[in-house]
Amino acid sequence: AQKVTQAQTEISVVEKEDVTLDCVYETRDTTYYLFWYKQPPSGELVFLIRRNSFDEQNEISGRYSWNFQKSTSSFNFTITASQVVDSAVYFCALSEDSSYKLIFGSGTRLLVRP
Amino acid sequence: EAQVTQNPRYLITVTGKKLTVTCSQNMNHEYMSWYRQDPGLGLRQIYYSMNVEVTDKGDVPEGYKVSRKEKRNFPLILESPSPNQTSLYFCASSLGPQGNQPQHFGDGTRLSIL
Repeated sequence: AQKVTQAQTEISVVEKEDVTLDCVYETRDTTYYLFWYKQPPSGELVFLIRRNSFDEQNEISGRYSWNFQKSTSSFNFTITASQVVDSAVYFCALSEDSSYKLIFGSGTRLLVRP
Repeated sequence: EAQVTQNPRYLITVTGKKLTVTCSQNMNHEYMSWYRQDPGLGLRQIYYSMNVEVTDKGDVPEGYKVSRKEKRNFPLILESPSPNQTSLYFCASSLGPQGNQPQHFGDGTRLSIL
């Protein structure tokens, strides 16, 4: 069965600190896709990244970086030098190649204090 | 501009009064779905549609109906709303059901059933 676990319910950091959001997934498929979405206080879902199961390269986009490790079934997200505008709920999600849905984790609320 | 449009954005109503949340996309996507977001549970799929006149249940379909008479529209119908359907709802569309097709989300509809 597919499952996504985001064990960190809430994280609070001071601006300019680095912060890592954890995501652990379960799937039986060999082909699957992992996602991160940001939900700011305004409520919309903002797509951040998609990664397929055959691409374990880490990715960096500005202050954001993602660490995909199949050996530990994890897809962690790091924000470097956090800013107040990073305050949001962040969701990790999984989609199996044979599936018609995204399975979301319960989300991690990040608060960046000035 | 490519977008998924949901209406209304906010609605407060009473138990038992039928309501419809509309969803429209302008990207000629075949695949559309509805999710609900609840605290601590992330987003869960309610229904999905693979094409016109083709719909199927997601993980939490009880109390909801959908229809897909046109490719661009996928309304969510609550025939007899109850307080446990108070939630934040998202419509999504994509070219296909597989995870390698990015899902485009609407801005969300916040429903309160009193």
